[in-house]
Amino acid sequence: KQEVTQIPAALSVPEGENLVLNCSFTDSAIYNLQWFRQDPGKGLTSLLLIQSSQREQTSGRLNASLDKSSGRSTLYIAASQPGDSATYLCAVIGKSSGDKLTFGTGTRLAVRP
Amino acid sequence: GAVVSQHPSRVICKSGTSVKIECRSLDFQATTMFWYRQFPKQSLMLMATSNEGSKATYEQGVEKDKFLINHASLTLSTLTVTSAHPEDSSFYICSAPLTGALYEQYFGPGTRLTVT
Repeated sequence: KQEVTQIPAALSVPEGENLVLNCSFTDSAIYNLQWFRQDPGKGLTSLLLIQSSQREQTSGRLNASLDKSSGRSTLYIAASQPGDSATYLCAVIGKSSGDKLTFGTGTRLAVRP
Repeated sequence: GAVVSQHPSRVICKSGTSVKIECRSLDFQATTMFWYRQFPKQSLMLMATSNEGSKATYEQGVEKDKFLINHASLTLSTLTVTSAHPEDSSFYICSAPLTGALYEQYFGPGTRLTVT
């Protein structure tokens, strides 16, 4: 059974700092990995999707990498801003799970002004 | 990007009543939709897969008679919480995937259910 873990569970940084969020998964047989952002009481916003054949994706200040063989992904946020404060979730679609996403435990990020 | 809506965004109901939550894909068709439940400060837990024109498939431990799912069209899935109890109070979120190689999923804004 696929298990997805995110470290750290919570992170507080001053504005302007670069930061890295980590995601690990136990079964490397995946179709893709997706990073989401969730604001309190809201739904999920898709940030980046990395297909299993890719190693990274970039969107603005965000860069996500994927090392499928080691079961790891990182989300790099450059020059963090208070508006980046949210919970970040990674999720994978495994080849043995049909079309279902398996979510990580999430990282709660607070960026202090 | 693709848009998924949910209605209502918030609902308060009395114990013993039933509540229906709608999930719509606004600009694409979805033969499959997913329903999740999220407790405070926890991640999303998949409840069931909604299949257009056929029965939903439920995850282990989810009562299918309590959480009725109907996927009557390619753009609408509904989740009905029957005989709701306070422990059913939660945040319910649906998602719909764009089929194809990317298989990216888009999520609705969620529905906050409070059972008194």
